[in-house]
Amino acid sequence: AQRVTQPEKLLSVFKGAPVELKCNYSYSGSPELFWYVQYSRQRLQLLLRHISRESIKGFTADLNKGETSFHLKKPFAQEEDSAMYYCAPEEGGSEKLVFGKGTKLTVNP
Amino acid sequence: DAGVIQSPRHEVTEMGQEVTLRCKPISGHDYLFWYRQTMMRGLELLIYFNNNVPIDDSGMPEDRFSAKMPNASFSTLKIQPSEPRDSAVYFCASSPGPLRSNQPQHFGDGTRLSIL
Repeated sequence: AQRVTQPEKLLSVFKGAPVELKCNYSYSGSPELFWYVQYSRQRLQLLLRHISRESIKGFTADLNKGETSFHLKKPFAQEEDSAMYYCAPEEGGSEKLVFGKGTKLTVNP
Repeated sequence: DAGVIQSPRHEVTEMGQEVTLRCKPISGHDYLFWYRQTMMRGLELLIYFNNNVPIDDSGMPEDRFSAKMPNASFSTLKIQPSEPRDSAVYFCASSPGPLRSNQPQHFGDGTRLSIL
């Protein structure tokens, strides 16, 4: 079964600093990989997906198949980036997502 | 677009009572998911439907839990009898297509359930 580890429960940075939210998964195949975000008083929503190779709100996610990691990065954090971030790889070959326990990012002014 | 609609938003009831959580997915979405979120275990998938048919219920914790999707616009998650350890936030999500077609899941606001 797929296991997801987000090692930091809390992460605090200052505005303008780089930020990296770590995610490691266990399934060694080629699962679909997603990051979801929940801003204060908003619904959980998709931030970005690996397959699209996209940059959303300045965030990118780097896949390292050898390390089975999918870390989320942003070079210059903004206060509005403060939120809960969840890494969600696919359960191998299924329609199921396995969510990490989340990292609460706080960007201080 | 109101998105995925869940009701009630909060439910407080005594152990042993039947609890019914409701979900209206986004129109046109073929997939519906029920999740449970607790501090200890995080966000866990309980069951998901495709075109109203339950596909995988391996996450349903025990027989006290049941879920139905009688039509494309409505689903229920029922707990009978309820126990204090069922206290959690329950989320419903819907998706227009399968994961591998690059389709995201759209979440509702959740139902915060407290069993006393």
